[in-house]
Amino acid sequence: DTAVSQTPKYLVTQMGNDKSIKCEQNLGHDTMYWYKQDSKKFLKIMFSYNNKELIINETVPNRFSPKSPDKAHLNLHINSLELGDSAVYFCASSQDRGDTEAFFGQGTRLTVV
Amino acid sequence: GDSVTQMEGPVTLSEEAFLTINCTYTATGYPSLFWYVQYPGEGLQLLLKATKADDKGSNKGFEATYRKETTSFHLEKGSVQVSDSAVYFCALPNQAGTALIFGKGTTLSVSS
Repeated sequence: DTAVSQTPKYLVTQMGNDKSIKCEQNLGHDTMYWYKQDSKKFLKIMFSYNNKELIINETVPNRFSPKSPDKAHLNLHINSLELGDSAVYFCASSQDRGDTEAFFGQGTRLTVV
Repeated sequence: GDSVTQMEGPVTLSEEAFLTINCTYTATGYPSLFWYVQYPGEGLQLLLKATKADDKGSNKGFEATYRKETTSFHLEKGSVQVSDSAVYFCALPNQAGTALIFGKGTTLSVSS
């Protein structure tokens, strides 16, 4: 069983569209994250949820909205997609806070055309 | 604020060569330190970690020692293999301990 799974793996869409990326973890972890990796491989935290409560909301356009229906799921919805949103988005989870080991999903490569 | 600085890549080595990837950090206190590896087309996975000063983390022939005097956590491997080709990230928790801060990553390419 995949510990952290996200879908889809690839997403190609046009500017202006709305899209969602789903993430599920079966590790029983309390904390989940969304990270963005740009074309130069630089990784930056976007959001963090602990037990369904938003902990971190970095400087991210409000077109990005995370939703955590339960502590095993953290979905990312993006409105009005822009070319600059093209990146790889990683979901991750950790047992407790962010100072412990994080387990990552395989990533979703988003391409906005 | 807290930060991580990694040596710029790419690093290109022949099989069985010695590897060092430098990592230095700026942090308040003595946070845990991590090395993550990202193989092509995959997510990140933890390679090794150290939770306090002078600890040595090791895994798959890689090792790194937490040096508080030099605020460093350099990654080393005595003999690299082609299968070690990947991007390596040094990381530490942010000051609030709510997420990880990653270095910019170092791409390693090993040829046979």
